[in-house]
Amino acid sequence: DVQLVESGGGLVQPGGSLRLSCAASGFTFTSYEMNWVRQAPGKGLEWVSYVDGRGITIYYADSVKGRFTISRDNAKNSLSLQMNSLRSEDTGVYYCARGLVESDAFDIWGRGTMVTVSS
Amino acid sequence: DIQMTQSPSSLSASAGDRVTITCRASQTITTYLNWYQQKPGKAPKLLIHIASSLQGGVPPRFSGSGSGTEFTLTISSLQPEDFATYYCQQSYSTPWTFGQGTKVEIK
Repeated sequence: DVQLVESGGGLVQPGGSLRLSCAASGFTFTSYEMNWVRQAPGKGLEWVSYVDGRGITIYYADSVKGRFTISRDNAKNSLSLQMNSLRSEDTGVYYCARGLVESDAFDIWGRGTMVTVSS
Repeated sequence: DIQMTQSPSSLSASAGDRVTITCRASQTITTYLNWYQQKPGKAPKLLIHIASSLQGGVPPRFSGSGSGTEFTLTISSLQPEDFATYYCQQSYSTPWTFGQGTKVEIK
């Protein structure tokens, strides 16, 4: 089965750091672009970051640029999001999502991991 | 950034009803428009991509249309399992952006 499983969420103080991971299985990881999408409690969806299959082309939302770093390890079929200088507005569920090359739509999603930034 | 606006924000409907949700982009996105369904506590699910291409496994009662700046998602005969929140998303240019969502509730 095609599957994405996130981990690494938790409670962190403002200004702190957290590293999220996403383990992929059931598909050829290097053939797909990957994304992080987040959802604040009771709110809509917000795209956070993108990385292409080789890990060369990377994009960020302005709201996280300079604070978050996306990376992938194709040998381990894993995606990561290093989050520094966390703010209360970064609180939410973070989803790992696979991207379709032909449309950049997000066709496979993980179950998400909760990040809470609070003192 | 491209702004995506959905209407309505919520609607009440009965099983069997035909439901249409509209999504407008602040500038042309050709057909790079995707639709997702999200149920409470669950991850979103891709229904339609490139405006009208039904994702594998999605029932044919779901359909999408439009191009340029105006798009629609239609559910031809609402089923009990379709009560959820629906989001449109543009993948024409980064930052990818979503509409605010349309909550479909039971009348």
